[in-house]
Amino acid sequence: AQKITQTQPGMFVQEKEAVTLDCTYDTSDPSYGLFWYKQPSSGEMIFLIYQGSYDQQNATEGRYSLNFQKARKSANLVISASQLGDSAMYFCAMRPASYNTDKLIFGTGTRLQVFP
Amino acid sequence: NAGVTQTPKFQVLKTGQSMTLQCAQDMNHEYMSWYRQDPGMGLRLIHYSVGAGITDQGEVPNGYNVSRSTTEDFPLRLLSAAPSQTSVYFCASSFANSPLHFGNGTRLTVT
Repeated sequence: AQKITQTQPGMFVQEKEAVTLDCTYDTSDPSYGLFWYKQPSSGEMIFLIYQGSYDQQNATEGRYSLNFQKARKSANLVISASQLGDSAMYFCAMRPASYNTDKLIFGTGTRLQVFP
Repeated sequence: NAGVTQTPKFQVLKTGQSMTLQCAQDMNHEYMSWYRQDPGMGLRLIHYSVGAGITDQGEVPNGYNVSRSTTEDFPLRLLSAAPSQTSVYFCASSFANSPLHFGNGTRLTVT
């Protein structure tokens, strides 16, 4: 079965602190891509970061990094130096290579709230 | 710099009515798809297309129809609206093996 699990419905973090949002995945495909999207209260879906299953290094994009542990099937998002504008829903998603399309499997999301 | 454009942004339908959600992209992406977002369930794939003239079903296709006559457009048709179709609908597009670009969503309420 292809599945994404996000076990944290909500997280709180103080401004300027780092926070880790958990994501585990299940797939039998040897090749796959992992994505994180941010959904602010305005509703749009914003792409944050991508990790390929064969990438040797963890992906980083500015304050976002992906802690990819292939053996544990986890792809946690780390946000460093949180800002008030980081308050949003965060979705982890997976695209198995066998799909050969833009089909993504999404987790149920984590709501992050950053407080001053 | 339009990206993926969805219309309308909001819609209220009565049970049994039909309507079409429009989606257009100007990035020449080959792949397009429709997702629905319900509380506590993340996004679920309704239908997708890998190119003009080619469509296929996703995870929750019942009650929806799609066609793709051009690369740019991928409309989603609700054949006979039901309250269970109350949701937020997202259209997305991409090239192969690249991140999805999403539209801003359509909030649909069926009474």
